[in-house]
Amino acid sequence: DVKVTQSSRYLVKRTGEKVFLECVQDMDHENMFWYRQDPGLGLRLIYFSYDVKMKEKGDIPEGYSVSREKKERFSLILESASTNQTSMYLCASTPSFGRTEAFFGQGTRLTVV
Amino acid sequence: GESVGLHLPTLSVQEGDNSIINCAYSNSASDYFIWYKQESGKGPQFIIDIRSNMDKRQGQRVTVLLNKTVKHLSLQIAATQPGDSAVYFCAENKASTGNQFYFGTGTSLTVIP
Repeated sequence: DVKVTQSSRYLVKRTGEKVFLECVQDMDHENMFWYRQDPGLGLRLIYFSYDVKMKEKGDIPEGYSVSREKKERFSLILESASTNQTSMYLCASTPSFGRTEAFFGQGTRLTVV
Repeated sequence: GESVGLHLPTLSVQEGDNSIINCAYSNSASDYFIWYKQESGKGPQFIIDIRSNMDKRQGQRVTVLLNKTVKHLSLQIAATQPGDSAVYFCAENKASTGNQFYFGTGTSLTVIP
């Protein structure tokens, strides 16, 4: 089975902190994605990557950056956490373009206080 | 981003009945429409997809219908079981946008024993 693992289930950070959310997939997938999930808003795409060192902005990239130094790992970085970034963050991967089955991690519930 | 998924937020059905979850979309250029299921505390999980040139596709206990005339997508679950209780998201995918998935806001299905 494909496994997408997010490093933390729950995180509490202070306003202004730099926050790293880590995601690792074990199936050699090319594409990786970061979403945030908020009640009533569904899943919104923050950033995605289709190759090592490549990144593309999604719909809501402001306040975030990403890093993909190795194919299996995709990191989401909150440069200076703010309370409006309190959310559930979901990482996903797909094998290649044109594949519709995305595999998701279990999510990281981030609270910024 | 694209607009997809004018879901009803909640749906309750009796165990054993059939469930119908609806979704509307605005982008006629999508290649695929996909349904995901998210159980409490987990990331979304792929259920079934339908290519945009199809009208109907069946899986195990699920059927997806696509009406391109009115830009409507539905997921039918036969003989609903307690394990079907979850949030259901429709999503659309367009290869030319880089394999991004655009998710709706979700419908929470509760199965009443």
